[in-house]
Amino acid sequence: GESVGLHLPTLSVQEGDNSIINCAYSNSASDYFIWYKQESGKGPQFIIDIRSNMDKRQGQRVTVLLNKTVKHLSLQIAATQPGDSAVYFCAEKSGNRKLIWGLGTSLAVNP
Amino acid sequence: EAGVAQSPRYKIIEKRQSVAFWCNPISGHATLYWYQQILGQGPKLLIQFQNNGVVDDSQLPKDRFSAERLKGVDSTLKIQPAKLEDSAVYLCASSPRAGESSGANVLTFGAGSRLTVL
Repeated sequence: GESVGLHLPTLSVQEGDNSIINCAYSNSASDYFIWYKQESGKGPQFIIDIRSNMDKRQGQRVTVLLNKTVKHLSLQIAATQPGDSAVYFCAEKSGNRKLIWGLGTSLAVNP
Repeated sequence: EAGVAQSPRYKIIEKRQSVAFWCNPISGHATLYWYQQILGQGPKLLIQFQNNGVVDDSQLPKDRFSAERLKGVDSTLKIQPAKLEDSAVYLCASSPRAGESSGANVLTFGAGSRLTVL
């Protein structure tokens, strides 16, 4: 399953499928990007980050892709599990300026 | 390591009353943040401390909100008087140091304090 930026804030996928959550950012000077996962009733939890000198970074079951040409960031989750159900936020940063947060995408995993 | 501790977890007050939230960051973390998160939205930074000094409070409604971190460790956020639109989750986060390296940019959040103003 795949979401399209902030226009589709809810993404529903089947357990075991791959998920792709997209994020469009606005500041071409942003040089650091980060993804957080927020489960209901909890604070945001760090997933993965990437600097602007990279196009791709992989973690455990997650991959972040950065396309600076079109100012687009995506989070790919492999073999999505019920525990992945949460709201996912992307955030961008330029130098020492504060993090700018996106509105979030809600991921629902169907068993 | 212990996480970021916040209290209370829930608070219900009437408008025009006051409320205070407390945060104890991860030991050794120099930077502490208070965020406001309205239901369905991303976190909004209210104030950022580096040790006991304020780095950014540009979005803090200073006529009613105040925050302090007197000894550079734990912090309190106060709202007086509260308005209906202050109903939100107040998140505290900490990081090792605000700077250029990726590690210092990773914020660790507490579970938040949910405020309901009636």
